[in-house]
Amino acid sequence: GQQLNQSPQSMFIQEGEDVSMNCTSSSIFNTWLWYKQDPGEGPVLLIALYKAGELTSNGRLTAQFGITRKDSFLNISASIPSDVGIYFCAGLTGNQFYFGTGTSLTVIP
Amino acid sequence: SQTIHQWPATLVQPVGSPLSLECTVEGTSNPNLYWYRQAAGRGLQLLFYSVGIGQISSEVPQNLSASRPQDRQFILSSKKLLLSDSGFYLCAWSVGTSGLGQYFGPGTRLTVL
Repeated sequence: GQQLNQSPQSMFIQEGEDVSMNCTSSSIFNTWLWYKQDPGEGPVLLIALYKAGELTSNGRLTAQFGITRKDSFLNISASIPSDVGIYFCAGLTGNQFYFGTGTSLTVIP
Repeated sequence: SQTIHQWPATLVQPVGSPLSLECTVEGTSNPNLYWYRQAAGRGLQLLFYSVGIGQISSEVPQNLSASRPQDRQFILSSKKLLLSDSGFYLCAWSVGTSGLGQYFGPGTRLTVL
């Protein structure tokens, strides 16, 4: 299957700091997605990106679909304690979604 | 609006026992359906996906099987559970290849003892 490399693997930040994480692939995707998963729950879709170069925001979250279509970035501004969780990127090609390995975010109050 | 249900929420089963996990979707027709397994809270492994009733694609050889008896019902089964089958099982749906996103159920925590 296709590999999505997500980094960093984990982050420990102070409340109020900005966060950046990214996802890269050796393959082109037509859609990039970002999810957040709280412990013991299913991932929840945060942002979906459909065009190369697209920049989309959802509150304090901003994501970009890379120009090469092989990468995507997620930024969280002014982090708060409830941002804690695991963030997954996903790429869609055909009928299949391929997921990154996740970035675990810890926000220290 | 669309909703996705999974049950049971948690399950503890002995090795060698059978398994049946159920997933149903409401509020949409002819969804693509997926089963994932997640170990240790990281990394989603795609197990099966289905684009229609009776159509199942398997991603990895394993001790599990899937069935789709109805348009919005997806079942994950095993005849004999192994210790390695323990994990967090997630069902998801999407609207075909529209790329509108994939939406996950609440998950089932399976522990095989």
